[in-house]
Amino acid sequence: AQSVTQLGSHVSVSEGALVLLRCNYSSSVPPYLFWYVQYPNQGLQLLLKYTSAATLVKGINGFEAEFKKSETSFHLTKPSAHMSDAAEYFCAVSFTQGAQKLVFGQGTRLTINP
Amino acid sequence: DAGVTQSPTHLIKTRGQQVTLRCSPKSGHDTVSWYQQALGQGPQFIFQYYEEEERQRGNFPDRFSGHQFPNYSSELNVNALLLGDSALYLCASSSGTGSPTFGSGTRLTVV
Repeated sequence: AQSVTQLGSHVSVSEGALVLLRCNYSSSVPPYLFWYVQYPNQGLQLLLKYTSAATLVKGINGFEAEFKKSETSFHLTKPSAHMSDAAEYFCAVSFTQGAQKLVFGQGTRLTINP
Repeated sequence: DAGVTQSPTHLIKTRGQQVTLRCSPKSGHDTVSWYQQALGQGPQFIFQYYEEEERQRGNFPDRFSGHQFPNYSSELNVNALLLGDSALYLCASSSGTGSPTFGSGTRLTVV
């Protein structure tokens, strides 16, 4: 069965520092992987997605993620954190490109310190 | 171009009551999925509708049911509400191989 594990329910970084949010997945077939961001009292916004075209995926707002099959990981990074990046981040996996069913991780709350 | 629209935004119900949540998909989308997000948790898949039929279902009891209309809008119905049904209910729409677009959700509180 598919599953997603996000390491660290809370991550705190200083403004301008590197952001690294970790995601590992469990899947018996090549997955489609997603990162979504959720701001307070809002729905989910797609940051980026991996669909096997390239292992390094660039998304919106300066975020990127690298698919590493050998490590079954899809970690999210941003070189320099901004105060506006403070939010909840969710990693998700799907078997189909149409994302018929997304399986989400528990989420990581990112806090940015001034 | 309007995105995914959900109504109402907030709702308070009493245990045992029934509730209906509504979702209008993004223009051009024909598939609607519903998710339940409990406080501090990731969203969990409830079910998906396509061509007015339930295409896939998650691990939720029969108290959770849905419907899709010819204009692709959708309703989520929950019967015999329990305190544990309190959550943010998210609707997501998609089309073909595109990624789902999520609405802002309906916050349901059961008291």
